[in-house]
Amino acid sequence: GDSVTQMEGPVTLSEEAFLTINCTYTATGYPSLFWYVQYPGEGLQLLLKATKADDKGSNKGFEATYRKETTSFHLEKGSVQVSDSAVYFCALSGGQNFVFGPGTRLSVLP
Amino acid sequence: KAGVTQTPRYLIKTRGQQVTLSCSPISGHRSVSWYQQTPGQGLQFLFEYFSETQRNKGNFPGRFSGRQFSNSRSEMNVSTLELGDSALYLCASRRAEATNEKLFFGSGTQLSVL
Repeated sequence: GDSVTQMEGPVTLSEEAFLTINCTYTATGYPSLFWYVQYPGEGLQLLLKATKADDKGSNKGFEATYRKETTSFHLEKGSVQVSDSAVYFCALSGGQNFVFGPGTRLSVLP
Repeated sequence: KAGVTQTPRYLIKTRGQQVTLSCSPISGHRSVSWYQQTPGQGLQFLFEYFSETQRNKGNFPGRFSGRQFSNSRSEMNVSTLELGDSALYLCASRRAEATNEKLFFGSGTQLSVL
């Protein structure tokens, strides 16, 4: 079945550092790919998405590119802020099923 | 447009009791999914309903059940509660079962079983 693998962390960075969270997937067909973020005490919020190969999703300084050849969708941000501290989930949708990775906890220190 | 609404926000129950959680999806959304989130197991899929029919089910015991009403509102029921059922239960909705349809999540119901 479909699956998502991502680095589990926790990841601790200093403010203004570069962020990469790796995500790879296994799926039949042509899924859409998503990054969701969860702040403490809240539900998940969509951060960005990409629906086909070579699409780049971007939002709030975060970016991820749909790489079909490497089945990856790595999340990047050039300069993280303390307010980016949260748990990040990579996910795919094959239509009927939504599959989430285990989540990566990010802590950004001032 | 109102977001996904889950009630109650917090619940405290004792072992052996049963509980019902409620979820109101975004207006126009016909699909509602339920997830259990715990520190140890992460986000685990419970089930998804689309137009009042259960379409997918995760690997949970029969004590966990759900239903969806004609107005797309959904309820989840857990019977004979166990300590391990303590978790954040998240509801999510989407318009349709299409690959590019994103999920919208509620803030969750935090269930504590004592």
